[in-house]
Amino acid sequence: DTEVTQTPKHLVMGMTNKKSLKCEQHMGHRAMYWYKQKAKKPPELMFVYSYEKLSINESVPSRFSPECPNSSLLNLHLHALQPEDSALYLCASSPWTSGSYEQYFGPGTRLTVT
Amino acid sequence: AQKVTQAQTEISVVEKEDVTLDCVYETRDTTYYLFWYKQPPSGELVFLIRRNSFDEQNEISGRYSWNFQKSTSSFNFTITASQVVDSAVYFCALHPSNAGKSTFGDGTTLTVKP
Repeated sequence: DTEVTQTPKHLVMGMTNKKSLKCEQHMGHRAMYWYKQKAKKPPELMFVYSYEKLSINESVPSRFSPECPNSSLLNLHLHALQPEDSALYLCASSPWTSGSYEQYFGPGTRLTVT
Repeated sequence: AQKVTQAQTEISVVEKEDVTLDCVYETRDTTYYLFWYKQPPSGELVFLIRRNSFDEQNEISGRYSWNFQKSTSSFNFTITASQVVDSAVYFCALHPSNAGKSTFGDGTTLTVKP
């Protein structure tokens, strides 16, 4: 299984809502990532979990809260978002062994904040 | 600090033409990893190739080929006999040896017209 799955595919939420994005991989990869991507821009790293521990937090606002329940699952909890947070949110996984840092991406969640 | 430059913002070709996408990188690491990713209009980023800094062999996979030249810090990607399905945004990325984060270029949008 070489797939990273993400749910939901689309999400519309108000600024006072709480929602969660989910990501799953079954490739035995040891690192998982959250990215935010705006139109016509490269993906912007938000968080990296390696061996189920948060290893990189790119100074993301606290209204985004990541969680890694186990090595296959990654969640992103959203609360009190702003309209400028509307974007494509991509999850990725990586083997995270010497020489194998390539990332496998999920299809993304297109988030709209109203 | 790491940097990846994809000077070509947009390229448009007619089907069956060959096209080369340029990638120039900067790093102080002696060991590093380079990647190319494809993002078609559907949105999902797809990993295409990894190249280690100590392996300067060029690679060919079907219509795709990659030219890694350490002397010029370049990792260029050529598509031979382009097809409409090659239309996508292509990102070059650089990853350090210390399991840090990947640095993405701004991407090149390739349009292949029938």
